[in-house]
Amino acid sequence: EAGVAQSPRYKIIEKRQSVAFWCNPISGHATLYWYQQILGQGPKLLIQFQNNGVVDDSQLPKDRFSAERLKGVDSTLKIQPAKLEDSAVYLCASSPRRMDYNEQFFGPGTRLTVL
Amino acid sequence: AQSVTQLGSHVSVSEGALVLLRCNYSSSVPPYLFWYVQYPNQGLQLLLKYTSAATLVKGINGFEAEFKKSETSFHLTKPSAHMSDAAEYFCAVSDGLGGSTLGRLYFGRGTQLTVWP
Repeated sequence: EAGVAQSPRYKIIEKRQSVAFWCNPISGHATLYWYQQILGQGPKLLIQFQNNGVVDDSQLPKDRFSAERLKGVDSTLKIQPAKLEDSAVYLCASSPRRMDYNEQFFGPGTRLTVL
Repeated sequence: AQSVTQLGSHVSVSEGALVLLRCNYSSSVPPYLFWYVQYPNQGLQLLLKYTSAATLVKGINGFEAEFKKSETSFHLTKPSAHMSDAAEYFCAVSDGLGGSTLGRLYFGRGTQLTVWP
């Protein structure tokens, strides 16, 4: 079974530019998550989708971050405009359905550097 | 609110020695607890999870963890370290689904494990 795919793996941009990340979850997984992992910290949830609907985006900085999951499969996360503090690894994860203790399967992440 | 504290951002052990990575949690509801491992340039991989069944949980690669409610702890152990265990380890707690909770995972800051030959 193919894992969670993410692209690009690395991205370097200057502040105030925009950037987009793509995620393809494991086939059949209904729930998709985007996390931000700043160096030296654990991952922090940005947004959670159930199929193509948003379940939880309370920690998403909506003035600059946006995400969508059209057709309930692939997802994109966008930052516009980027700030220096957005430098982090952005992880995508998926799980078969929403459960209390459902395992989340993580992709390799996209490392973003904002100069 | 849920939170996790991992004591020690770096742990070093010799190959063959006991591995002990500490995790304490705070949860307003019965918790679901997880340990994840992250190898360089890779995503997180689930080691084991506690879901209110047995308090001693066995995971992959010889790791296990014990849920101690009285100590609000979920420490990760392995009797004998191997060079391949060198990685970063994250403890996480979920508040589960229901009512106002959304099954969100709250991660600790991570513990980097170094294994010396």
